[in-house]
Amino acid sequence: GAVVSQHPSRVICKSGTSVKIECRSLDFQATTMFWYRQFPKQSLMLMATSNEGSKATYEQGVEKDKFLINHASLTLSTLTVTSAHPEDSSFYICSATGRGGGGETQYFGPGTRLLVL
Amino acid sequence: QKEVEQDPGPLSVPEGAIVSLNCTYSNSAFQYFMWYRQYSRKGPELLMYTYSSGNKEDGRFTAQVDKSSKYISLFIRDSQPSDSATYLCAMGSNFNKFYFGSGTKLNVKP
Repeated sequence: GAVVSQHPSRVICKSGTSVKIECRSLDFQATTMFWYRQFPKQSLMLMATSNEGSKATYEQGVEKDKFLINHASLTLSTLTVTSAHPEDSSFYICSATGRGGGGETQYFGPGTRLLVL
Repeated sequence: QKEVEQDPGPLSVPEGAIVSLNCTYSNSAFQYFMWYRQYSRKGPELLMYTYSSGNKEDGRFTAQVDKSSKYISLFIRDSQPSDSATYLCAMGSNFNKFYFGSGTKLNVKP
């Protein structure tokens, strides 16, 4: 199956700082990438969808100025949590779909655990 | 009404048992049906992917889709302790929007 990586796997930061999370498709070209958030014992909540070279489409209730998404290449998307606060602490997971083996469905990254102190 | 309903469990079975996991949905436009396995503190891992109706088998796993009943199932034969995880169903009418179940937590006891 297609492989998606995320970096970092976990990050701890102080309140008010910004944190960048990278999502990479390793063996296929990801025309579309998705960012999810997952709270403990809950399912995945879609935050935004991004297509390579286009602005991301955010789900209702997700602040686009707080969660900046960049999908500059077919293998990389980044999520930047700006001015992070403790309530932003969560598990952030990306997924990707695209060409060359990753086009059948969404393949997920391993997730990034964010803790804001 | 939620788009996708899934019993959260937990479901506890002895090793070697056949496990049946299910989801129901309300949108008849859904064509793509997936089952993901998620271990604690990890990202979801794709187990099975089915397009439209029918059955699909892969090793110990069998996925079934009954579009007339809007019901999908995942069967795990000869369950192992390593199968202990949360199983998420996901579906959609295209790849750009998936609707997820809440996940069923499975515990296979040795």
